[in-house]
Amino acid sequence: EADIYQTPRYLVIGTGKKITLECSQTMGHDKMYWYQQDPGMELHLIHYSYGVNSTEKGDLSSESTVSRIRTEHFPLTLESARPSHTSQYLCASSEYKTGAQETQYFGPGTRLLVL
Amino acid sequence: SQKIEQNSEALNIQEGKTATLTCNYTNYSPAYLQWYRQDPGRGPVFLLLIRENEKEKRKERLKVTFDTTLKQSLFHITASQPADSATYLCAGGGQAGTALIFGKGTTLSVSS
Repeated sequence: EADIYQTPRYLVIGTGKKITLECSQTMGHDKMYWYQQDPGMELHLIHYSYGVNSTEKGDLSSESTVSRIRTEHFPLTLESARPSHTSQYLCASSEYKTGAQETQYFGPGTRLLVL
Repeated sequence: SQKIEQNSEALNIQEGKTATLTCNYTNYSPAYLQWYRQDPGRGPVFLLLIRENEKEKRKERLKVTFDTTLKQSLFHITASQPADSATYLCAGGGQAGTALIFGKGTTLSVSS
C-alpha cells in the first residue's frame, strides 16, 4: 500500500462553493500529480509539480489551482464548483530522476459530486 | 494526438485460464510502458514496467510484452483467480519529465 493520502474521500457540494482537495505523501517524492478520471475513461492529467514552489498545468484544461509549499503536500482548489466538475480526482507521486522511468503511486481518490 | 488504446470490452474468463489484455499506442513511440491495476473506488496500483528495448518481462503470474513493430503491448495473467478481477490500465511514458499517457483500461472478470 502506497503512503499517499487523500481527503475527503467523498464530497457532495453545491454549485459556487469553494473546495480544497487534500493530498499528502510520506515517501519524500519530489514529483506530484493530480488526475481527473470519469467512469470508464482514461486518467487526464490536470496539474503536476516537480517539487516545492513548482506547479505546472497538465493536458486537460482545468479551472482548478494547486500549490506546493511543502514537499509532502499538494492541495487542489476549486474556487467555484460547478456540476461539470463532478468526477473522481486522483493524486499521485513519483521520484524524479533524470532519465529514469517514473513509477507513480496513487492515492485512493476523492469522488466529487457538485449539485 | 498521442494515444494509448485498450479494448474497452470487458474480458470474462474462467478461473485457471490465462487472461490476455491488449494495449496499442498511436502517434508516438513510448520509451516504456507501464501496467497498473485499479479496483473500484481505488487509485491505480503499479504492476509492471517494460522498456522499448525489452521484449518481455515477468513477475510471478504476470507477463508483459512490448512489440515496437506492431506498436502493441500484451499483458498476460496466468492461472487467473477471482481475486485478479479488476480494471487494468496501460500507460505510455516518454523521456523523463514528460507525462504518462493512460488508456481507458480493460475490465477483467474471473469467475470460479
